[in-house]
Amino acid sequence: KAGVTQTPRYLIKTRGQQVTLSCSPISGHRSVSWYQQTPGQGLQFLFEYFSETQRNKGNFPGRFSGRQFSNSRSEMNVSTLELGDSALYLCASTQRGASSTDTQYFGPGTRLTVL
Amino acid sequence: GNSVTQMEGPVTLSEEAFLTINCTYTATGYPSLFWYVQYPGEGLQLLLKATKADDKGSNKGFEATYRKETTSFHLEKGSVQVSDSAVYFCALAGTNAGNNRKLIWGLGTSLAVNP
Repeated sequence: KAGVTQTPRYLIKTRGQQVTLSCSPISGHRSVSWYQQTPGQGLQFLFEYFSETQRNKGNFPGRFSGRQFSNSRSEMNVSTLELGDSALYLCASTQRGASSTDTQYFGPGTRLTVL
Repeated sequence: GNSVTQMEGPVTLSEEAFLTINCTYTATGYPSLFWYVQYPGEGLQLLLKATKADDKGSNKGFEATYRKETTSFHLEKGSVQVSDSAVYFCALAGTNAGNNRKLIWGLGTSLAVNP
């Protein structure tokens, strides 16, 4: 079974631009979560989607948004990019997404660099 | 709120040495606890997990026991190998319906094993 895939793997943008990242979960998984990983802040939860609905949201500004499609694929968008948005963005999928015991499976991430 | 405190690295060991990476947490109720590993250039992989007090998670020679009395989930391995060189993350998932799929992470501990 294929793992979680994320595209693109690398992105370079300039301040003020916007960016869209894509995540395809493991087949049959309905929950997709997004995390931001930076050297200073570590891993921080962005949001989670299940059946096209956002179920949980972290403490990020409104410039960060996401959505999920009927095939469970998810996208996240960052508008008006700032230098501090440079990070590795990780997507994780969960089969049921109903319990804290469920394992989250991670993709390789998208490395975003904002110049 | 929930939080995870993980020992700082980097940790440098010789092959076949004993490894302990400390992890303590703050949470209400009985969260699920996880250790994830990130090998160089790869995504996060679940190493082991424990979902209730006194559970022991184990995988690839690594072990961690969920200690409610000390709010700890220390990672141990009796004999490390060069291939264990990676960054190790301790994480928890809360038990409330609103946050049970939102992983809270430690900052990670980098392990380097020398031959």
